[in-house]
Amino acid sequence: NAGVTQTPKFRVLKTGQSMTLLCAQDMNHEYMYWYRQDPGMGLRLIHYSVGEGTTAKGEVPDGYNVSRLKKQNFLLGLESAAPSQTSVYFCATLTGPRSNQPQHFGDGTRLSIL
Amino acid sequence: GQSLEQPSEVTAVEGAIVQINCTYQTSGFYGLSWYQQHDGGAPTFLSYNALDGLEETGRFSSFLSRSDSYGYLLLQELQMKDSASYFCAVRDGGGGNKLTFGTGTQLKVEL
Repeated sequence: NAGVTQTPKFRVLKTGQSMTLLCAQDMNHEYMYWYRQDPGMGLRLIHYSVGEGTTAKGEVPDGYNVSRLKKQNFLLGLESAAPSQTSVYFCATLTGPRSNQPQHFGDGTRLSIL
Repeated sequence: GQSLEQPSEVTAVEGAIVQINCTYQTSGFYGLSWYQQHDGGAPTFLSYNALDGLEETGRFSSFLSRSDSYGYLLLQELQMKDSASYFCAVRDGGGGNKLTFGTGTQLKVEL
């Protein structure tokens, strides 16, 4: 039982390149989230999804796109990477709308953009 | 919008008790959560308060006062492995059941 798996774990990009981060979960959770974490800061929500085929913007969505074609996968895309997007990216899942359930996090993707 | 404030750093000795405070200003509030994150690791859930009062889970307790927009995490019998960052997070209960995180408190446990 892997829980929440993020790939890749590390990546270095050049400015202007594109890439996709994958989050896969095997817990059958409805809700999925993408966060970024910068040094000395908490996690900031980029985009989220409340079910297959749905996506919504979070606090810092600019420069990112997402897709949830399958319930178990949530993809985060950077179309034209910028140095400001250097960060650690975390995916999280939640069973559903019940308010007392914790979010489950993946191990993160460390992304550097030169 | 939501904003949360917590101290940036706390230092304590092994075996002691430490309290990490969190104050929040929110447009909607459905509960305060606490997460632990070791260096290079993922955040892991510690505790959740939806109602006023104290919740206890082993060595960790969390308190909430909704009238004061305030909560704290209490760690007892500190161990070296408790050295980590601790984040409070407010659940807004709206669409997506989103969390807004504080900037985190780095706890250093010394011998």
